[in-house]
Amino acid sequence: EVQLVESGGGLVQPGGSLRVSCAASGFMFSSYELNWVRQAPGKGLEWVSHIRTDGTTKYYADSVKGRFTISRDNAKNSLYLQMNSLRAEDTAVYYCARGSLAAGGRAFDYWGQGTLVTVSS
Amino acid sequence: SFELTQPPSVSVSPGQTASITCSGNKLGNTYAAWYQQRPGQSPVVVIYQDTKRPSGIPERFSGSNSGNTATLTISGTQAMDEADYYCQAWDSNTAVFGGGTKLTV
Repeated sequence: EVQLVESGGGLVQPGGSLRVSCAASGFMFSSYELNWVRQAPGKGLEWVSHIRTDGTTKYYADSVKGRFTISRDNAKNSLYLQMNSLRAEDTAVYYCARGSLAAGGRAFDYWGQGTLVTVSS
Repeated sequence: SFELTQPPSVSVSPGQTASITCSGNKLGNTYAAWYQQRPGQSPVVVIYQDTKRPSGIPERFSGSNSGNTATLTISGTQAMDEADYYCQAWDSNTAVFGGGTKLTV
C-alpha cells in the first residue's frame, strides 16, 4: 500500500525556519517525481515545488522561490522541504504528492495527510 | 502568468448531471487533471490527462478538454460526490490549480 506521511509542522515565528518531511513507503520511491502542495486554512490548493527522480532538477512557485528548498533522499525514501524566511502567508497544511507515472508525472496520484505549518508571533 | 478559473460553486440534484468548468488560456493544448477533496481529507485525483479515470474512480466521473476549457462531468450525481473539486494543469515547469468549486448535491 502506497503511503506518504508528512511530519515536522508546527508553530514558527515570522522570519523563522522549519523543515517538513515526507516518509514514503509501498512503492519504488526513486522512480517517482514528487511535489509539495499547500492549502491555507479555508483556501484552495497551491502547488509549491517539484523534484525529479534523481533530485537534480527542482522547480518552485514564484511565491516561495529563493526561500524554500526541496530535496529528497532516495536511500531513506524521504522528501523534504526546507522553509526559510517564513511569512504569515505561508501558514498552511503542506502535503507531499506523488507524480503519477501514467500521467508522465503531471498529475498527483497519491497524497499524504498533510502537516500544518503556522507562522505567527 | 497562467491561471485557471473555476466557478466557486455548483449545485445539482441527486441523480442529475453536474458539470464543473475550468478555464485557462489555450488550456486544451496541455493536459488537465481533476481532484476531489472532501472536508477534512486529502485530495484524490478523479481524472488525469483530460479524460482518464484512475482505478477505483466510478465511471460516472468523466472529463474533457478543448480550446480554453476543461470540464469535469459527474453523471448520476450522488450525495457522496458533494466535495470541493480542483482542476490542475502545468504551464512549462509550474503546476497550477484552479481556485476550486464547491459541489453541493
